[in-house]
Amino acid sequence: AQKITQTQPGMFVQEKEAVTLDCTYDTSDPSYGLFWYKQPSSGEMIFLIYQGSYDQQNATEGRYSLNFQKARKSANLVISASQLGDSAMYFCAMSPASGGSYIPTFGRGTSLIVHP
Amino acid sequence: DVKVTQSSRYLVKRTGEKVFLECVQDMDHENMFWYRQDPGLGLRLIYFSYDVKMKEKGDIPEGYSVSREKKERFSLILESASTNQTSMYLCASSLMGLNYEQYFGPGTRLTVT
Repeated sequence: AQKITQTQPGMFVQEKEAVTLDCTYDTSDPSYGLFWYKQPSSGEMIFLIYQGSYDQQNATEGRYSLNFQKARKSANLVISASQLGDSAMYFCAMSPASGGSYIPTFGRGTSLIVHP
Repeated sequence: DVKVTQSSRYLVKRTGEKVFLECVQDMDHENMFWYRQDPGLGLRLIYFSYDVKMKEKGDIPEGYSVSREKKERFSLILESASTNQTSMYLCASSLMGLNYEQYFGPGTRLTVT
């Protein structure tokens, strides 16, 4: 069974600073995908970034980058130059390739608050 | 734009009532999911479906059933609502494949009194 751990229930960051949100995972599958989602106070989940387990380079999407360390089974999200609008819940998720169903397991989330 | 819609944003039901939550997606996605979200517990998968009339149990299926008669529509049914089913319910859809993200609906906040 897959397991996702987000150890930081809450994080605070100053506007314009960078912040790292931690995510570790546990799987026996050799092939899997890692995702990060953002959930603002409005409630809708928004996809941010994807990393495949065989991707050689860390994924980047604008101000978001994924610090993927396969041997350590970690997939931390780095947000550069934080903005007030980044205040939200952030969820890490992993989908294994085995079985062909690609059903993601989610972590419990990290609440990020960006201070002006 | 991919759109996932849910029939209600807020719903209040009484204990013992039968409750239907509807989800519709407009992008011809194979996969559809129902999650329950509670504070501190993240998203927990109730059921998912990878094709019409196909369904698979997730992590917490007890007390719930689902129906997928058409590809675009996935319904969650609470046969006899109980107070411990008070929660936020999120529907999602995705293409079949490892690197495809999920698209979520706005959620239904269900209160069972």
